Amino acid sequence: ETGVTQSPTHLIKTRGQQVTLRCSSQSGHNTVSWYQQALGQGPQFIFQYYREEENGRGNFPPRFSGLQFPNYSSELNVNALELDDSALYLCASSPGGTAGQETQYFGPGTRLLVL
Amino acid sequence: AQSVSQHNHHVILSEAASLELGCNYSYGGTVNLFWYVQYPGQHLQLLLKYFSGDPLVKGIKGFEAEFIKSKFSFNLRKPSVQWSDTAEYFCAVNRQGNAGNMLTFGGGTRLMVKP
Repeated sequence: ETGVTQSPTHLIKTRGQQVTLRCSSQSGHNTVSWYQQALGQGPQFIFQYYREEENGRGNFPPRFSGLQFPNYSSELNVNALELDDSALYLCASSPGGTAGQETQYFGPGTRLLVL
Repeated sequence: AQSVSQHNHHVILSEAASLELGCNYSYGGTVNLFWYVQYPGQHLQLLLKYFSGDPLVKGIKGFEAEFIKSKFSFNLRKPSVQWSDTAEYFCAVNRQGNAGNMLTFGGGTRLMVKP
């Protein structure tokens, strides 16, 4: 186990709804990254937060947004859900340090189904 | 944009067989390289990583990988697989100095080891 926790574990929503996913980073880590893993594919980077600021973003529309809190936990918000948003959402934390030379530790994920 | 290719989507081996999983990336600059494993029902775990130095890196559970810069490759190997190695394996890359520390993952290779 990595110490990264995510909630909820599973979620079912309908098209057009909004969802909030939560992540608690490993103790001592100040950087949180979010990934989307569609069925049968590798994870795709959504964005990263470092000390409460967005620190990089992948190719996802603005309806994907996030927050990082002073305790370095994080939320991923998705508005106007679409069927293609159905996926496993992974959170990863890292200690923050030399850019690029960090190991990211993943949580178990939240499986989102959009009907 | 950088990309990562894992050419073998599914591999089936018998116990004690040797394993080599291919990984190629497209980015021409200095990169950091990772192999992650996802056992059934578990979260992504780091197997090994390469930042610099000896291009042959050893990881957990007897795995190793070789970075060949001229071939843009980072293949994963294990001399003798066990049934417990049944899992999905992901190669990932990020660019050294990348402030966003974004990991780009390959599509994964699903390994089944027959007892």
